[in-house]
Amino acid sequence: SQQGEEDPQALSIQEGENATMNCSYKTSINNLQWYRQNSGRGLVHLILIRSNEREKHSGRLRVTLDTSKKSSSLLITASRAADTASYFCATGSAGGTSYGKLTFGQGTILTVHP
Amino acid sequence: DAGVIQSPRHEVTEMGQEVTLRCKPISGHNSLFWYRQTMMRGLELLIYFNNNVPIDDSGMPEDRFSAKMPNASFSTLKIQPSEPRDSAVYFCASSFRTSGSWDTQYFGPGTRLTVL
Repeated sequence: SQQGEEDPQALSIQEGENATMNCSYKTSINNLQWYRQNSGRGLVHLILIRSNEREKHSGRLRVTLDTSKKSSSLLITASRAADTASYFCATGSAGGTSYGKLTFGQGTILTVHP
Repeated sequence: DAGVIQSPRHEVTEMGQEVTLRCKPISGHNSLFWYRQTMMRGLELLIYFNNNVPIDDSGMPEDRFSAKMPNASFSTLKIQPSEPRDSAVYFCASSFRTSGSWDTQYFGPGTRLTVL
């Protein structure tokens, strides 16, 4: 079963607007990552936030993590039509024997209209 | 680096046939993951290897599925016999795992499998 639950399932906005996607998870983690998937392609890593971090920025991306609420959000500012894709959160287990296993959510489909 | 390489990119086969999907991870990576993606079930982890050793195959749907990693630069996922419900996109991903590292996974382009 998927640990991460993204919200909303689909998001439609106009170019230039900000897009916010949320992710909730159930068990303890040591890191949370966001990936992007363009139609017909593999997933591409966007950003990683560690469990002891609260906020991280990368270009137009801003990720927050609230471990007390077991939730994260991904903000894309000044969206572009090229940002149209599915976005997935993935959690890395706090256990020591995960060997890098990530648990992916169901994803948010973002559509940015020009 | 060429990234994770998967072949074939598309496979169409008939029910009952054997299907072999191939993956070449990024050179130097020591963990390899096989995923299946469908509209209904999303992205599912099937099996993963660390240093060529299978660590967890609990996601493999049934005995018709098998995976091997004979060396650090090659892995296969085999379905025998294939069924229409196996139709999906199969992704291979690799990462470099060390003690205390944070595990970014690098995905291949996927193999789109259609079983008629």
